Amino acid sequence: QQQVKQSPQSLIVQKGGISIINCAYENTAFDYFPWYQQFPGKGPALLIAIRPDVSEKKEGRFTISFNKSAKQFSLHIMDSQPGDSATYFCAASPDSNYQLIWGAGTKLIIKP
Amino acid sequence: ETGVTQSPTHLIKTRGQQVTLRCSSQSGHNTVSWYQQALGQGPQFIFQYYREEENGRGNFPPRFSGLQFPNYSSELNVNALELDDSALYLCASSRQGRGDTQYFGPGTRLTVL
Repeated sequence: QQQVKQSPQSLIVQKGGISIINCAYENTAFDYFPWYQQFPGKGPALLIAIRPDVSEKKEGRFTISFNKSAKQFSLHIMDSQPGDSATYFCAASPDSNYQLIWGAGTKLIIKP
Repeated sequence: ETGVTQSPTHLIKTRGQQVTLRCSSQSGHNTVSWYQQALGQGPQFIFQYYREEENGRGNFPPRFSGLQFPNYSSELNVNALELDDSALYLCASSRQGRGDTQYFGPGTRLTVL
């Protein structure tokens, strides 16, 4: 019940394309769903987050889609750029300031 | 405003030894959370400190312990190191209260030989 399942494990997208990463959760007590971006040798950085009272949130080229009934959420990166090449993690928590339960990560490579 | 800092950057220890990792929280933040990230995996929650008290703990044995100081900085101590303790240890700081965001430091890479 505490798991967050993330797919795919790795993803290669052409420059300018759309990158899509998916996550699924079981625990209905989760109320906060962030996406983090991590570059090699660095700590994770918050990219965008959503709460279940909305189905979509957009910030620049990054969009989270949230399906509460299916207990799934996804990250869409529009117009993907080589600088977006990184590992992306979804996470979930009952509250943004409490323990985050993380997915296993997706290594994204944007080909120029 | 300074971000979250961690020291040391890298550390090599042998099995059975003890290690202390340090974290300075971001200015204005009073809560520190520690995570362990094994190679190729997502971080796992170790524990959280607020007002110098442990405020939640993940599935880690008692040989993982911590402290928070009056200036909100924090230490993670690991006793009797095992090979599986080799990982990136991440510290995140935040303000206590619903809705705030956790900001992560760069991590300490611990290698246990």
